[in-house]
Amino acid sequence: KNEVEQSPQNLTAQEEEFITINCSYSVGISALHWLQQHPGGGIVSLFMLSSGKKKHGRLIATINIQEKHSSLHITASHPRDSAVYICAVGTDKLIFGTGTRLQVFP
Amino acid sequence: DAGVTQSPTHLIKTRGQQVTLRCSPKSGHDTVSWYQQALGQGPQFIFQYYEEEERQRGNFPDRFSGHQYPNYSSELNVNALLLGDSALYLCASSFSGNTIYFGEGSWLTVV
Repeated sequence: KNEVEQSPQNLTAQEEEFITINCSYSVGISALHWLQQHPGGGIVSLFMLSSGKKKHGRLIATINIQEKHSSLHITASHPRDSAVYICAVGTDKLIFGTGTRLQVFP
Repeated sequence: DAGVTQSPTHLIKTRGQQVTLRCSPKSGHDTVSWYQQALGQGPQFIFQYYEEEERQRGNFPDRFSGHQYPNYSSELNVNALLLGDSALYLCASSFSGNTIYFGEGSWLTVV
C-alpha cells in the first residue's frame, strides 16, 4: 500500500463543474502539498498546508490531520485546469501520490 | 525572478554512459532536491543538498551522485546508465521549509 493515495486516478468533467480530488496518507506529516503538472513535465506548487483550509482563486485545499486526509476542490472548472494534480507529503523529502489526471471539456 | 532552471531539457544517452544534469535554484533558496519521475508514476526522491552537503538520500544506488556549489546550484550525476534510468528528472528548491518550487525537468532517454 502506498503511503500517499489519491482518488480518483482519472477524472473527466464538463466546464463549470465543481471538482474534488482526494488524498489520504498513512505517515505522520509536517506539511501536505498540492501540485499541478502539465504534459510538458514542469510542476507548479498550488498549496502547502499543515492545517485547516487555504483558498487561491477557484482552488480550495483542506486538510484533516486527525483523519489523515486532504481534498483539493476546483470551483467553476475550465479546460485550462486540465492537468495532473499530485498530492505530496513532507517538507524536505516529499512523498508523492501517483496523481489524478483531470480533463475538463468545454 | 527566474525561478528554478534546469538544463538540459532533453537528452539521449547510450547504456553505460554517464550524464550530468544541472539545476539553478530560485533566488534566495538554499536547499535543492532531486526527484526521478518515470512515465506514468509519481516522482521519487533521490537526494537533497543543503550547504553543499547531501542531507537526505532516497532509495537510489550509488550510481546516482550529486553536488551543490557555494552559489546553491546543483548537479545530478548518473553513472553506468541503464535503460531503466530513462525518466524525467526534476529539481526542486526551497528555503527554510517554505513553499517548494520545481523546475521544468530534464527528460533523459537511455537507449
